[in-house]
Amino acid sequence: ETGVTQTPRHLVMGMTNKKSLKCEQHLGHNAMYWYKQSAKKPLELMFVYSLEERVENNSVPSRFSPECPNSSHLFLHLHTLQPEDSALYLCASSQGYREISNYGYTFGSGTRLTVV
Amino acid sequence: DQQVKQNSPSLSVQEGRISILNCDYTNSMFDYFLWYKKYPAEGPTFLISISSIKDKNEDGRFTVFLNKSAKHLSLHIVPSQPGDSAVYFCAASEDNDMRFGAGTRLTVKP
Repeated sequence: ETGVTQTPRHLVMGMTNKKSLKCEQHLGHNAMYWYKQSAKKPLELMFVYSLEERVENNSVPSRFSPECPNSSHLFLHLHTLQPEDSALYLCASSQGYREISNYGYTFGSGTRLTVV
Repeated sequence: DQQVKQNSPSLSVQEGRISILNCDYTNSMFDYFLWYKKYPAEGPTFLISISSIKDKNEDGRFTVFLNKSAKHLSLHIVPSQPGDSAVYFCAASEDNDMRFGAGTRLTVKP
């Protein structure tokens, strides 16, 4: 596989559930990102990891917990979410930390999350 | 605060005609601008970019124009094709801190 792969593609969870989103990149990139896209809103940066170290947490509630066990994998652990957390969650990667260079970030297809 | 705005949520164009997607920004310190295209059930993919030191960048059917004095960015697609139907996101970066617009849905009708 190439590029950035996210699983699952769709997830429905109750407010008391615990679930995890997975992201895997096969590009040899050193930085990985979690974005949230709500309907008709801009993409919001949630977390940034560089060389497996969390370097940014943009005021994200603690019910979202990221994990980066190695430079190829990124997880977003979810617990006690609210209905307003329903959104498309996108993972992205780049060669270096915030390295846009000529091609921006490489995005995965996203996980469509619905909280009921 | 929304520093990058795409004021048209949707645009419909006839095949073969020109599509013009617009983007406005408020931060004069943005130094790099990008356009991404997103098909349903797929992630955004990079389309074209432009540095703030230029006012035009062309890649095949796609041209991006930058008007720094007006803080305005536009993407021209000519000729438009049905396969161009997608959501287009504008993004702007200051020191590699990238901000996105909310997107414009382009529909190209055969």
